[in-house]
Amino acid sequence: GENVEQHPSTLSVQEGDSAVIKCTYSDSASNYFPWYKQELGKRPQLIIDIRSNVGEKKDQRIAVTLNKTAKHFSLHITETQPEDSAVYFCAATYNAGNMLTFGGGTRLMVKP
Amino acid sequence: DVKVTQSSRYLVKRTGEKVFLECVQDMDHENMFWYRQDPGLGLRLIYFSYDVKMKEKGDIPEGYSVSREKKERFSLILESASTNQTSMYLCASSPAGAKYEQYFGPGTRLTVT
Repeated sequence: GENVEQHPSTLSVQEGDSAVIKCTYSDSASNYFPWYKQELGKRPQLIIDIRSNVGEKKDQRIAVTLNKTAKHFSLHITETQPEDSAVYFCAATYNAGNMLTFGGGTRLMVKP
Repeated sequence: DVKVTQSSRYLVKRTGEKVFLECVQDMDHENMFWYRQDPGLGLRLIYFSYDVKMKEKGDIPEGYSVSREKKERFSLILESASTNQTSMYLCASSPAGAKYEQYFGPGTRLTVT
């Protein structure tokens, strides 16, 4: 199956700084890469996604980049705020898009 | 707005007990999933179902079974709970046309003593 590695496992930044979380995947057939945010005690929620025919996608302060050749994708958060503090998960499809494999998660802490 | 609910937020069971975790979604989604979430391991797929009475094994099905008798309901069954099944269990659903756009339930934290 697919293997998704996510780094770093924890990330601490000062409010207003940028945060970058990186993921690599193994299955070259993967074609959809979502990012989920899970606040403490809450369910994971989809915040942004990217498909394999696109190299970058932005939504306000968050952006995702995809390098299919290198098989890695990244989440970028600019102008971080305390409410960005959460665990972030990347994922990639496999098994002809029937399943998602998740990375191990990144705990982001934004210090005021 | 998609709503996925799970029967319990917290559950404590003894080793060897049979455990049922229930998940219900109200958006007429065809696909439903059960994951377990452990620190550092992300979410790992246990089973999924793409139709009533259909089920497929995920990455870690051992020790679990599932039931989908109605479209809106997907149950996870631990036939004989063990301490290594202590975890957070998350249910998710997605529509037929976008099975990977998954909406999650709030989770059930299961402790097996």
